[in-house]
Amino acid sequence: QKEVEQDPGPLSVPEGAIVSLNCTYSNSAFQYFMWYRQYSRKGPELLMYTYSSGNKEDGRFTAQVDKSSKYISLFIRDSQPSDSATYLCAMSANRGSTLGRLYFGRGTQLTVWP
Amino acid sequence: DADVTQTPRNRITKTGKRIMLECSQTKGHDRMYWYRQDPGLGLRLIYYSFDVKDINKGEISDGYSVSRQAQAKFSLSLESAIPNQTALYFCATSGSGTGEETQYFGPGTRLLVL
Repeated sequence: QKEVEQDPGPLSVPEGAIVSLNCTYSNSAFQYFMWYRQYSRKGPELLMYTYSSGNKEDGRFTAQVDKSSKYISLFIRDSQPSDSATYLCAMSANRGSTLGRLYFGRGTQLTVWP
Repeated sequence: DADVTQTPRNRITKTGKRIMLECSQTKGHDRMYWYRQDPGLGLRLIYYSFDVKDINKGEISDGYSVSRQAQAKFSLSLESAIPNQTALYFCATSGSGTGEETQYFGPGTRLLVL
């Protein structure tokens, strides 16, 4: 079992829809949770960053972390065609760990059609 | 100018050839990483380096080697390329201390091994 599971999709929604992207994980040591967005033929770029449990909102994007369920989500409101990309969740354990690694999900491919 | 650059951006090579992929960064970060990305498998860590004298194997290091020539430069070598090393390769960097969990990616190198 991979440490981070993410449904690869693809997911196709109309413009204006609310999009929900999710990841589950097995390592209870994970405390730092990130969402990266990757456009076609580009490198991943950080979209959202959350520490421990709770919600974080940034414009149309909301990241949620439920550590008790080992489940994280990214919500996109009023989705736009420019949101079409692959979204990767990533997480890591305690800061200062000699591992210092990010564990990535496989990514979910999202298409928002006009 | 991009903070993390990779050369070449695209490369076609033949089985058995030696090839080097190079990464440079101007972010002043100590930590650098090499990943490969394959459809359906997400990002997998090949090697990582926390400073010039520290090199660590990732989850799929067999068939690869690295060199950290300076804080800003981290090269990945395929000593004898094979077709299943055909993939998209990304270099990434991160700082230490606050925000060390966040990694910044280069644009990628698309490698085809015939």
